[in-house]
Amino acid sequence: KAGVTQTPRYLIKTRGQQVTLSCSPISGHRSVSWYQQTPGQGLQFLFEYFSETQRNKGNFPGRFSGRQFSNSRSEMNVSTLELGDSALYLCASSFVGQGVTGELFFGEGSRLTVL
Amino acid sequence: AQSVAQPEDQVNVAEGNPLTVKCTYSVSGNPYLFWYVQYPNRGLQFLLKYITGDNLVKGSYGFEAEFNKSQTSFHLKKPSALVSDSALYFCAVRPSISSGSARQLTFGSGTQLTVLP
Repeated sequence: KAGVTQTPRYLIKTRGQQVTLSCSPISGHRSVSWYQQTPGQGLQFLFEYFSETQRNKGNFPGRFSGRQFSNSRSEMNVSTLELGDSALYLCASSFVGQGVTGELFFGEGSRLTVL
Repeated sequence: AQSVAQPEDQVNVAEGNPLTVKCTYSVSGNPYLFWYVQYPNRGLQFLLKYITGDNLVKGSYGFEAEFNKSQTSFHLKKPSALVSDSALYFCAVRPSISSGSARQLTFGSGTQLTVLP
């Protein structure tokens, strides 16, 4: 079974630009979550999507947004990029049938560098 | 709100020796606890989880973890460390009480494990 696939793996942007990151979950997994990882703040929850609906959102500004498609694939978008947005963005999927006991399966991440 | 503490930023151990990576948590109600490992420039890999039942949980690659409710701890252990175990380890918690944040995990700050040959 293929794992969680994130694209692109690496990207470089300049301040003020916007970026879109993509995530394909494991087949059969309908929940997709996004996390930001930085050396200073560690792993922080961004948002979770299930059935094309945002179920929960972390403490991030409105510049961070996301969506989920009917095939469970998800995208996140960051507009008006700031230097502090440089991070590894991790997508995770989970099997909803396991409820809250299920573990998250993470992709390799998209490393964003903002210059 | 829930929280996780990993008191050691760095743990060094000699190959063949037992290793322990410490984790304590704070959560309302019963906790669901997880350990993940991250290798350089990679995502997080699931190692094991505690949901209920036996306090000693066995996971991937020979790792195990002991849940201690009175000490609110969930330390990761391995009887004999390998050089290839060197990586960043994260403890995470999720409350068992179902809510809108049902699948969100709260992570600790991570512990860098170095196994010396």
